[in-house]
Parts: sequence; structure tokens; C-alpha cells
Amino acid sequence: AQSVAQPEDQVNVAEGNPLTVKCTYSVSGNPYLFWYVQYPNRGLQFLLKYITGDNLVKGSYGFEAEFNKSQTSFHLKKPSALVSDSALYFCAVRDKGGANNLFFGTGTRLTVIP
Amino acid sequence: EAEVAQSPRYKITEKSQAVAFWCDPISGHATLYWYRQILGQGPELLVQFQDESVVDDSQLPKDRFSAERLKGVDSTLKIQPAELGDSAMYLCASSGQVEVTDTQYFGPGTRLTVL
Repeated sequence: AQSVAQPEDQVNVAEGNPLTVKCTYSVSGNPYLFWYVQYPNRGLQFLLKYITGDNLVKGSYGFEAEFNKSQTSFHLKKPSALVSDSALYFCAVRDKGGANNLFFGTGTRLTVIP
Repeated sequence: EAEVAQSPRYKITEKSQAVAFWCDPISGHATLYWYRQILGQGPELLVQFQDESVVDDSQLPKDRFSAERLKGVDSTLKIQPAELGDSAMYLCASSGQVEVTDTQYFGPGTRLTVL
């Protein structure tokens, strides 16, 4: 079975500070991991994905994520937060040997404080 | 930049009525997905199409939900009759291939409210 956990419902960070949004996963095979962002009353926008190779993945809008196999984690990071980064962030996983659909976490609401 | 189109953006209906949502994927994308997102939760897959064929509809409540993609391009999701518990955001996504590594791109969604 595939699953994703986002342990924090809410993350607050001051503008200009680094931010981290946490994600851990559980799959039976090799994981394919994705991060999406959702603004109010909008669909999900793709940020980045990990398939294979370098554990540090760079994505859109200055975001990056680090894949850690031993800790089964895929945390989203940004060196300097912007107020416009305030949104709902979803981590998702696919199992190489499993279904093709994405399994999403419950989301983390990021608030960047000016 | 190509986008997934969905309509309507908002729909309010009374229970027992029929509703329909439309999705037009990114041009050339063979795979189309319908997800349901309940407030406070992540999206959950309802149905997946590869061209005009259903690949996975195991989570689709078939007694009231139906989906079609007749010509392998745009798609319609229907609910009949609607129930109060169907209030949610309905998201459509598409990807170029059915490969597990492929990125899914989402439309803006249809927010359904059932009264």
C-alpha cells in the first residue's frame, strides 16, 4: 500500500526566513514523489518531482526538495520565503510497481508572515 | 502555456438533482484523471482514462457517478442523483503518458455545493 504523511497541518514562517514543509512516505517499491501547491479555489500546480538520481531536486519558484531514502522523507524547502508563497502544499507518491494514480497527503498550510 | 480547462468553476445544486462537469485536457495528453477533493483533505482519484478507455474506476461510486471520454479528448463526469456528501472540489488532470514517472497537470477545478 502507498501512503503519504504530512505531519504539520500548519507552518508559519517569517518573510525572508528559510521554510521547510515535511513529508514522509510509505511504498512497497521504489517511490516517485511529487510536490504540488494549491492557492485558494484553484487547482494544484506542479512544483517538482523525484524520480531517480540526485537526491536534491530543484523545482519551480525557487523551491527544492530533498529525497532521503533511509528516513523515507521528501521535505520541501526554500531558502528565503515570500509572502506570495502562502498556500496549501501537497506531497504525493506513486509506487513504481503499483497503481498509476497519485496518493496525496492531507496538505500543509504555509503562512508567510510579512 | 497549455492548461487543463474545466467548467463550470462553481456549481450549486439541490440533493437528488443531476450535475455534470466538463474537462478539456492539455492538447495531446492521452491520460486523463478525475479527482475529488473534500475540504481539508488531499485529492483522491475517482477515474483514470487512457485515450477513450477507462484504466481505473475502482474508487468511482458507480451507483451515482459516471464518466466518459468518448473521443479520447475531453471528458464529462456526471453525478445523478447528487447527495449532500458529494460537496467537494472536483479536479481534472492530464498527463502525456500513463507512465508512473509522468507529471499530472491539474485544471482549476469545479467546486460543487449540494444543498
